[in-house]
Amino acid sequence: NAGVTQTPKFQVLKTGQSMTLQCAQDMNHNSMYWYRQDPGMGLRLIYYSASEGTTDKGEVPNGYNVSRLNKREFSLRLESAAPSQTSVYFCASGYPQGPQHFGDGTRLSIL
Amino acid sequence: DQQVKQNSPSLSVQEGRISILNCDYTNSMFDYFLWYKKYPAEGPTFLISISSIKDKNEDGRFTVFLNKSAKHLSLHIVPSQPGDSAVYFCAASSGATNKLIFGTGTLLAVQP
Repeated sequence: NAGVTQTPKFQVLKTGQSMTLQCAQDMNHNSMYWYRQDPGMGLRLIYYSASEGTTDKGEVPNGYNVSRLNKREFSLRLESAAPSQTSVYFCASGYPQGPQHFGDGTRLSIL
Repeated sequence: DQQVKQNSPSLSVQEGRISILNCDYTNSMFDYFLWYKKYPAEGPTFLISISSIKDKNEDGRFTVFLNKSAKHLSLHIVPSQPGDSAVYFCAASSGATNKLIFGTGTLLAVQP
């Protein structure tokens, strides 16, 4: 069972570069989410998609864009990476009022 | 302003004893609460949840208690096992969007 798959697992970028983090789920969930986790902090919501075709901002959306490509895939894009975006990024999926299931994360370093 | 707080960064217990992890929240609109377990270099794994209409939910060795008047929830693990050693996050949400607000986590170490 793949569950939630994130690619890449690791990435190093230079300030100003762009990249897209990919996420796919095979559990037929309607909702998908992107979180970031920084040292000593809990996960914070960046963007979410309640259903295919819809996206909305979370707690920390600045500097990010998202695309809900289809029901399975939800991507996160950094247009111009900044050192403050160095973090571990987690994608999750779930049904409303149910637990979210997480991928294993993308560890992103921006120099 | 942190809406979900885990005031104990770490907890150490002996194998076979009870582990009690605590979580406080400030937003009275939260209606769904969850506990996740996280190992290093892995994503959070769902453990157990509770709706605000209940005050207790049990699943095997794991029990979650909710005290709405105190805005407090706790996770009890009985008996604790070395494999339970991990970071535990509590999380809360309100409404249909299910946007989770996480606490900062508690590192549980179960000593053999």
